[in-house]
Amino acid sequence: QVQLVQSGAEVKKPGASVKVSCKASGYTFTNYAIHWVRQAPGQRLEWMGWLNTGIGNTEYSQEFQGRVTITRDTSASTAYMELSSLRSEDTAVYYCARDRHGIVATMGDYWGQGTLVIVSS
Amino acid sequence: DIQMTQSPSTLSASVGDRVTITCRASQSISSWLAWYQQKPGKAPKLLIYKASRLETGVPSRFSGSGSGTEFTLTISSLQPDDFATYYCQQYNSYSAFGQGTKVEIK
Repeated sequence: QVQLVQSGAEVKKPGASVKVSCKASGYTFTNYAIHWVRQAPGQRLEWMGWLNTGIGNTEYSQEFQGRVTITRDTSASTAYMELSSLRSEDTAVYYCARDRHGIVATMGDYWGQGTLVIVSS
Repeated sequence: DIQMTQSPSTLSASVGDRVTITCRASQSISSWLAWYQQKPGKAPKLLIYKASRLETGVPSRFSGSGSGTEFTLTISSLQPDDFATYYCQQYNSYSAFGQGTKVEIK
């Protein structure tokens, strides 16, 4: 069965970076794009960007441009999201999601369990 | 950027009620719209994609309609498991979510 398993919770200081992993199983990793979405406490979902797992291309939301980097390790069927210059407003649960339609940017059908990132001095 | 606005923000309803949630886009997104259900502490669950297509395994009491800038999610007969927050998402240009609609028990 399709599963996305994310890395554990992180506590970071303002100005630091965080890297969250998302390990895929149950399907061919390079046949489906991966999206990253975050949700601050009590807030709406925010789309951060997506990764073409086949060739490694990415597109990022303007909101996070310059601070976010999405990468992958195809040998490990794992995608990564790194967010830099952290501030308190980046405290949120970060999700990865597999694109329902393959290597395109549409919507997520399978989601990771979420990774809580707390930014605090 | 395309902005998504849902209404209402909160909806109080009873089991068996017909419930409708509206999502408006700041510009036309054709039918590139999805709906999700989210429960506290859980990841979103895909219900509807391409405005009206029911995801596999989702009960038929859920339906979606609309195109262009105005869309609706309808639950024909609300069940106890349906009390949750619902989000729309456009994927016409990059992606963006609405602010959510919480469906609570009346």
